[in-house]
Amino acid sequence: AQTVTQSQPEMSVQEAETVTLSCTYDTSESDYYLFWYKQPPSRQMILVIRQEAYKQQNATENRFSVNFQKAAKSFSLKISDSQLGDAAMYFCASCGGATNKLIFGTGTLLAVQP
Amino acid sequence: DTGVSQDPRHKITKRGQNVTFRCDPISEHNRLYWYRQTLGQGPEFLTYFQNEAQLEKSRLLSDRFSAERPKGSFSTLEIQRTEQGDSAMYLCASSHFGQGKYEQYFGPGTRLTVT
Repeated sequence: AQTVTQSQPEMSVQEAETVTLSCTYDTSESDYYLFWYKQPPSRQMILVIRQEAYKQQNATENRFSVNFQKAAKSFSLKISDSQLGDAAMYFCASCGGATNKLIFGTGTLLAVQP
Repeated sequence: DTGVSQDPRHKITKRGQNVTFRCDPISEHNRLYWYRQTLGQGPEFLTYFQNEAQLEKSRLLSDRFSAERPKGSFSTLEIQRTEQGDSAMYLCASSHFGQGKYEQYFGPGTRLTVT
């Protein structure tokens, strides 16, 4: 079974600063993938970044990067130069196995202060 | 590529009525997933299709729920005899499974309110 845990229900960051959102996971799959999704208020889920578990190199997408610690089963998201538009609920998710269904954490609500 | 679309965006129904939602995936995506999201929670998997075949259903999907994906294109999710506990956001996602592509792209969701 797969589980995803996000221990920070809410976070706040000043505009232009850096913030890190935490995520831990557990899986019995040997081949799996990890994702961060962003869900703005009343808007649809957007894929922010993905990480293949077999890759040691941490994924980066512009201002977004991850710190993937496979042994510790940790997958944190770093947002650099935070912008007002980054304010949203962020979900960590994993998938693997034949179905590749996504298992989500409970989310972290990020507020960006001007 | 117009993205995943869902219809309707909002549905209010009375308890005991039947409702049907539609999802149109990104064209050429072979997999289509349905999730349910309640307030303050992450989405939970309901079921998925590869082409027209429904390959897995969650235990969350009671026998009042049925899903189809005729011809491997759009999908419908029907809830019969709705209950107040069915009130949630129903999300559809599609992916092009295989060739190293596993990410799922979500539609805007259908928010169901059962009164």
